[in-house]
Amino acid sequence: EIVMTQSPATLSVSPGERATLSCRASQSVSSNLAWYQQKPGQAPRLLIYGASTRATGIPVRFSGSGSGTEFTLTISSLQSEDFAVYYCQQYNNWRTFGQGTKLEIK
Amino acid sequence: EVQLLESGGGLVQPGGSLRLSCAASGFTFSSYDMSWVRQAPGKGLEWVSAINTGGGSTYYADSVKGRFTISRDNSKNTLYLQMNSLRAEDTAVFYCAKVHYDGSGYLFDSWGQGTLVTVSS
Repeated sequence: EIVMTQSPATLSVSPGERATLSCRASQSVSSNLAWYQQKPGQAPRLLIYGASTRATGIPVRFSGSGSGTEFTLTISSLQSEDFAVYYCQQYNNWRTFGQGTKLEIK
Repeated sequence: EVQLLESGGGLVQPGGSLRLSCAASGFTFSSYDMSWVRQAPGKGLEWVSAINTGGGSTYYADSVKGRFTISRDNSKNTLYLQMNSLRAEDTAVFYCAKVHYDGSGYLFDSWGQGTLVTVSS
């Protein structure tokens, strides 16, 4: 099983600033990597797939990069609605999720 | 607009059974693979099971293999998860998810709001 490790577990950032979230795979997943956002009491929402392609309706301030085993989700200028938990998920070999990064207001 | 509405969750004793349903609308249900993903209270996401468009191919996480059965009724636009021999560690919110193929692999592009399953005596 491919293990996905996200860092940090919690990230404190001020509104308007940039946030950078990391995701590492235990073996190469090529570019088969997705990012999801989950707010309290809500279902996850797809943000990014193919490591860097924004899903329909996702604002341009969200961007993804990386390939192989190292991936990054960047939110360029944080809005109040962006504070949530973010999960990465590989779909190169079945599907496994990272443990999540909580993005909180500083 | 894609809508996925789960139902069937509730409180069940260890060793018991429960059947979850997911009613789909807003897309051609029979054209898409579907999945179940769960989330234990305060924990992360865990893929549980998947089924192809026709229902002839099914896949399970090791943690549920032999106990859970995924199925679908394309005439009713409904996905199911039959859960038997339930354990306390199965306590979670269960999400129905529409599968998207991006040309390289399969991910989840739409999710329902989830239904809570609690396994406790």
